[in-house]
Amino acid sequence: EVQLVESGGGLVQPGGSLRLSCAASGFTFSSYWMHWVRQAPGKGLVWVSRINSDGSSTSYADSVKGRFTISRDNAKNTLYLQMNSLRAEDTAVYYCARDDDQAFGYWGQGTLVTVSS
Amino acid sequence: EIVLTQSPATLSLSPGERATLSCRASQGVSSYLAWYQQKPGQAPRLLIYDASNRATGIPARFSGSGPGTDFTLTISSLEPEDFAVYYCQQRSNLLTFGGGTKVEIK
Repeated sequence: EVQLVESGGGLVQPGGSLRLSCAASGFTFSSYWMHWVRQAPGKGLVWVSRINSDGSSTSYADSVKGRFTISRDNAKNTLYLQMNSLRAEDTAVYYCARDDDQAFGYWGQGTLVTVSS
Repeated sequence: EIVLTQSPATLSLSPGERATLSCRASQGVSSYLAWYQQKPGQAPRLLIYDASNRATGIPARFSGSGPGTDFTLTISSLEPEDFAVYYCQQRSNLLTFGGGTKVEIK
């Protein structure tokens, strides 16, 4: 069974940093591109970042470029999102999702990040 | 950036009725469009990929049409479990989501 389990969310002050993790199981993690998608409270889905299967290529939404870094450790079957210079508008549930070529076939349950003083 | 505009924002219907949801792209996305369903407190679930292909396990009452710039998700006869928020997503140029359509019980 495919499972994606996010962790690392919590309360952080503006300007602070946080690293999210997404532990993958039930499939060959190293074969798939992976993504982060976020959802502010009561709002819609927003794509954040993606990484290719071997970690050599990444892309970011303009709103997080230069502040967030996506990475992966295929030996540990884990996806990461390093978030620096956090702002109030980064407050959201962060989901990791597996790219099944055509669309996001599997999602984690999400982890809540709250940026507030 | 490709902008996806979903309409209407809210659709009020009764079980058994037909639901028609629209997603318009600011430029052509070919068939690179997917639809997701999200219920409160849950992660999104893939319904349709490549504009008109149902994902594994998705009932036949869900159908999608495209390609180009105007896409439609149709639910032929609403079941109680279909009341939720629906999002479209394009992957033609990076990735973007539409703002969502909430299908609520009338």
